[in-house]
This record gives sequence, structure tokens and C-alpha cells, in this order.
Amino acid sequence: GQNIDQPTEMTATEGAIVQINCTYQTSGFNGLFWYQQHAGEAPTFLSYNVLDGLEEKGRFSSFLSRSKGYSYLLLKELQMKDSASYLCAVMDSNYQLIWGAGTKLIIKP
Amino acid sequence: DVKVTQSSRYLVKRTGEKVFLECVQDMDHENMFWYRQDPGLGLRLIYFSYDVKMKEKGDIPEGYSVSREKKERFSLILESASTNQTSMYLCASSAGQGDSQPQHFGDGTRLSIL
Repeated sequence: GQNIDQPTEMTATEGAIVQINCTYQTSGFNGLFWYQQHAGEAPTFLSYNVLDGLEEKGRFSSFLSRSKGYSYLLLKELQMKDSASYLCAVMDSNYQLIWGAGTKLIIKP
Repeated sequence: DVKVTQSSRYLVKRTGEKVFLECVQDMDHENMFWYRQDPGLGLRLIYFSYDVKMKEKGDIPEGYSVSREKKERFSLILESASTNQTSMYLCASSAGQGDSQPQHFGDGTRLSIL
């Protein structure tokens, strides 16, 4: 079966760095997406990785290792507004998105 | 910016009612999707559509149907609502077909079935 695993909840301190991991087992691979979802709001697109390596976008970076079925989202200089759920999703061989359950990130002052 | 608009943020209906959830996107996207989101679970795909008048079943289509009469509009129908369909419903759209384009989401409809 297809499976995406990510931690349920993480806590970090304002100004610090946090890494949210995602491991996957899917039938085929056409890219991995990270989304941010604030409570009661729509998921918003953060990043897309299809090749191995690190993609940097301001305070957010996303890493992919296809051979290990592994990705992480790195958030630097954490701000209170980064408190949200972070969703990992993999596009399979049929170009369907398989979603993880999301990681709730709590930022403390 | 892509705008995906869902007709209601909150909806309360009774068991057995026929329920319509509407979704409109303004970016001329080919692809549209309906998901439900429940605590502790990932987004689960109900139905999707790659073109007008075209629909495909997702992972959990039972108890639902859809309609896409116009490119910009994708409707989700609960034929006879049941309490286990109480959930957050999210509509999304994306460009292209067989292409890794990100999906853009509406704000969701929180549906309660009493």
C-alpha cells in the first residue's frame, strides 16, 4: 500500500530552527510537495522537490532523497506565525497526490 | 493569485438530506478535486475531474457524487447525508494534466450532519 509518515506534533522556540521529517512508500514518484495549513484555513503550497537535494526559499528549505524515500522541511528563524500544520504529499505514478496526516508545529516564545 | 472559492464555510444539515457543496476557481485550471479532512488522517480524495463533464472516483467516493458542467465549477453532492460524513471538505484546482503542478485550495466547508 501507499504510505506517508510524518510526526504528529512538534514544539520549537521562537527564533530557533526546526526540521520536520517525512518518509514515504508510494507506487511511483513524480515529486513531493510541502504545504502549510493554519488552523481553520486552506492548505497553501510551500515547496516542490522532484530531484535529490535541497531547495531553499527564504526561511524555508526542503530536502529530498528519493533512494531513501525521505524528505524534510527546514524552518529557520522561527516566528510565532509559523505555528501551523505542515503537510507532506507525494505525487504517485498516476499523478495522484498521497497525503500525510500532517505535523502540527507549536512555536513557544 | 489563484482563487478557489467554496460556497459555504460552515454548514449544518440533517441525516438523509441531499447536500450540495459548490466550488469555483478563477484560473482556468483543467483539474479540480474534492477532499475530506478528518483529525489524524491525511487528506482523502473523494472525486476529481480533468475536464468539463469528466469525473473520476478517488479513494472514498461512496455516498458522494460530483458534477462539472462548466470548467470553473465543480460541485460535490451528498446524495443522502449521514453522520459519518461530518467533516471538513476541501476543494482544490491545478493546471495541466499528467503534470506536477501544485494544487490550490479553497478555505474549506465544515459540514455537520445531525
